[in-house]
Formats: sequence, structure tokens, C-alpha cells
Amino acid sequence: GIQVEQSPPDLILQEGANSTLRCNFSDSVNNLQWFHQNPWGQLINLFYIPSGTKQNGRLSATTVATERYSLLYISSSQTTDSGVYFCAVGRRISNFGNEKLTFGTGTRLTIIP
Amino acid sequence: DTEVTQTPKHLVMGMTNKKSLKCEQHMGHRAMYWYKQKAKKPPELMFVYSYEKLSINESVPSRFSPECPNSSLLNLHLHALQPEDSALYLCASSRGVLGVITDTQYFGPGTRLTVL
Repeated sequence: GIQVEQSPPDLILQEGANSTLRCNFSDSVNNLQWFHQNPWGQLINLFYIPSGTKQNGRLSATTVATERYSLLYISSSQTTDSGVYFCAVGRRISNFGNEKLTFGTGTRLTIIP
Repeated sequence: DTEVTQTPKHLVMGMTNKKSLKCEQHMGHRAMYWYKQKAKKPPELMFVYSYEKLSINESVPSRFSPECPNSSLLNLHLHALQPEDSALYLCASSRGVLGVITDTQYFGPGTRLTVL
């Protein structure tokens, strides 16, 4: 099956710092999503980004599908950004848009006040 | 509204109990999913339903029995579980309609299951 690796596995930053999280995947995909999992377990959608660049406030993401990687940028970090960040890649399994998402290994981000 | 709800939030059960997890969405999505997440690990797919029919079973043991009674509701029936089945169980949904290549999956808050 497809392999999804994220780096770094752990990241500790001061409030206000910027960070870049990386996601590498081993095969072509139809879907790539970035999630933030909060301490209570809720997976919050950040981006649906199978290719290209998107921005949402302090967060932006870039996926280079031909080179099989995606980057998540977090600027001016806040303590509420703490948690685990997952990328997940999807491959279509039918003509009905449903798909199998494979999650990466995750990056645990801790923002210190 | 992009909300997926799950009940209960927490569940403790013995190995001989029978219980059910419930997931609901009212976004008109036709694909629904169950994932299992062990502590400090990424979520792993268990089942995919498309138009209320099971389309993927990721070799899940038969003590987990999914059910999709209608397009808004997804259940996971649990019977004779083992302590190693303790985990966070996440439900998700996506549009899943003909002609859509792929689409965003939206996740519920999860049910934290403990098997004693």
C-alpha cells in the first residue's frame, strides 16, 4: 500500500515562531488533506489540497503532486496551534468519489507561551 | 453545516457486552467511513459505505459489525471485544457522488472506547 511519512515527528516552538511541516507519499494520489487533531481527538480539516497552493489566515499549504510531497506552513504560532498535524492521502476506489484515506505518521507540535 | 456527530463520547464495556456506536450527518453525503485510532498512532480505515452499501472492509474482525440503515446514519455494533480493541473510533463522511473524483472527508469527534 501507499506509504505516507511526515517530518519532523515532534516540534517545540515559542509562541510567534513560524514552522514548516512536510508530508512525503510513495505513489500518485487523487486527494491530499491536512488535519489538526486537538487534545480531545477531534480531527479538524485544514486543507483539501491534491495539488497547488492554498492559504487560510496564518496557515498555508502547497502540494507538488509530481514530486509526491506536501508542505504545511504555520506562521506566527499561537498556543492553540498545539496538537498533532496529520496529512492524509486518498486514492479513488470507485466512480462514486468515495476513497480510502491513508494517514501519515503525524507531527506533534507544541507551542510554548 | 459540515458537522458529523457521534454518540456516545465515551464508552466502557466488558468483553461479554454488546454495544453500538452511532454516527450521523445531515450534509447529504453518500459516503461514510469508520476509522480506528490507537493512542499515539494515526487513524486507520475500517469500513467504507457508499450509497448505504458496504464497499470496503479492511479485514476487520467480525466482532465489529457495521450497519448503514439510511443515508444519514452509520452504526458500528460491537460484540465480544478484546482489551486491545480499546481506541478512539472516528466516523467520517464525504459527498461520494457519481462523477466526483475525490472530495473532502469530514470527521466526527469520535467515541473513546475502553474494553475491560
